[in-house]
Amino acid sequence: GENVEQHPSTLSVQEGDSAVIKCTYSDSASNYFPWYKQELGKRPQLIIDIRSNVGEKKDQRIAVTLNKTAKHFSLHITETQPEDSAVYFCAATPYGQNFVFGPGTRLSVLP
Amino acid sequence: GAVVSQHPSWVICKSGTSVKIECRSLDFQATTMFWYRQFPKQSLMLMATSNEGSKATYEQGVEKDKFLINHASLTLSTLTVTSAHPEDSSFYICSAVERGVSYEQYFGPGTRLTVT
Repeated sequence: GENVEQHPSTLSVQEGDSAVIKCTYSDSASNYFPWYKQELGKRPQLIIDIRSNVGEKKDQRIAVTLNKTAKHFSLHITETQPEDSAVYFCAATPYGQNFVFGPGTRLSVLP
Repeated sequence: GAVVSQHPSWVICKSGTSVKIECRSLDFQATTMFWYRQFPKQSLMLMATSNEGSKATYEQGVEKDKFLINHASLTLSTLTVTSAHPEDSSFYICSAVERGVSYEQYFGPGTRLTVT
């Protein structure tokens, strides 16, 4: 089955700097890769996603890149703000079935 | 749009009792719903996939006789934790997908279960 690894587990950045979180997956059948932000005690919130037929997607300060050959994808947050502090999870799924989540990255943005 | 509700938001029960959690899609038809469990400071672990009108598919290691899932309609799925024990205490989150529209899953707000 699918295995998703995520690094780093914790990340601290200064406000205004960029943050990058990387994930790798094992199942070449996976074709949808969402990223979620989760605040303590809350539901995960989709912040960006990418399908396997696209190499990069951007939405304002957030971008995701995908390398299908290497089976890895990354989340890039630019101009970080304190409200970006949360736990971020990547996930992989073939056609929206059997979502497998990475272990998460706790991002702290220091003012 | 795409709102998923979950009830109750929290529940405390005694060991040996059963607890039912409801997951509803409020403004779309959820052909597929997922049930996750999340322990403190850990990731979401998929427990089972629930398709309307058919039996749920459980992930390896999840006891189907302990975690009963029913997806009776396109807007409602329920998870019943039977004979709950303290180790079942966790945050249970459902999500729903509108098949044929996108792969995006919409999460419910979660249910915190504490078994004493």
